[in-house]
Amino acid sequence: KNQVEQSPQSLIILEGKNCTLQCNYTVSPFSNLRWYKQDTGRGPVSLTIMTFSENTKSNGRYTATLDADTKQSSLHITASQLSDSASYICVVTPSFNDKVIFGPGTSLSVIP
Amino acid sequence: EADIYQTPRYLVIGTGKKITLECSQTMGHDKMYWYQQDPGMELHLIHYSYGVNSTEKGDLSSESTVSRIRTEHFPLTLESARPSHTSQYLCASRPGLAGDLETQYFGPGTRLLVL
Repeated sequence: KNQVEQSPQSLIILEGKNCTLQCNYTVSPFSNLRWYKQDTGRGPVSLTIMTFSENTKSNGRYTATLDADTKQSSLHITASQLSDSASYICVVTPSFNDKVIFGPGTSLSVIP
Repeated sequence: EADIYQTPRYLVIGTGKKITLECSQTMGHDKMYWYQQDPGMELHLIHYSYGVNSTEKGDLSSESTVSRIRTEHFPLTLESARPSHTSQYLCASRPGLAGDLETQYFGPGTRLLVL
């Protein structure tokens, strides 16, 4: 069983609409949780990072939330743009080592 | 903007050839990583280094080898490429100082196709 799971696997939304991506993890204890955006054929780029004590973190139109009790995180994208089309990856760093654990990603397509 | 570079960006090569994927970063980061990622799949750590002359194998077994002779350079070598090595290879780095909030900075990746 993957220690970091994401849903949905893929998502198609209209330009201008909002969407929320989910991340569930079993890694415990954990040090921090990050959301990355990966454009096709490119390396991942960090969007947000939260420690276990933080509940929310924003970066422009991206807002990440974290519920350490339920071990869930979400990434909310507001007023989506065509350039938001990418894979969004949830990454958890355990407290006991720094070998980050990557989720499988959610593939988002924003269409006009 | 992260200053981490990978070359080549794309490589098509025949079975049995020896290849080296280059990764360089100009940020002075101590920690560097190599990940393998198949299309639509998650990243898997294959090698990492905590500094010069330090190399360790990652979670995913790989026939590749790495070296870390200089801080800024972390090349990955396949002695004899096979079709099963076809994948995208991503290099990443981050500072070596203690700190939970360090983010890994990724290079653009090398897409390898072995025929």
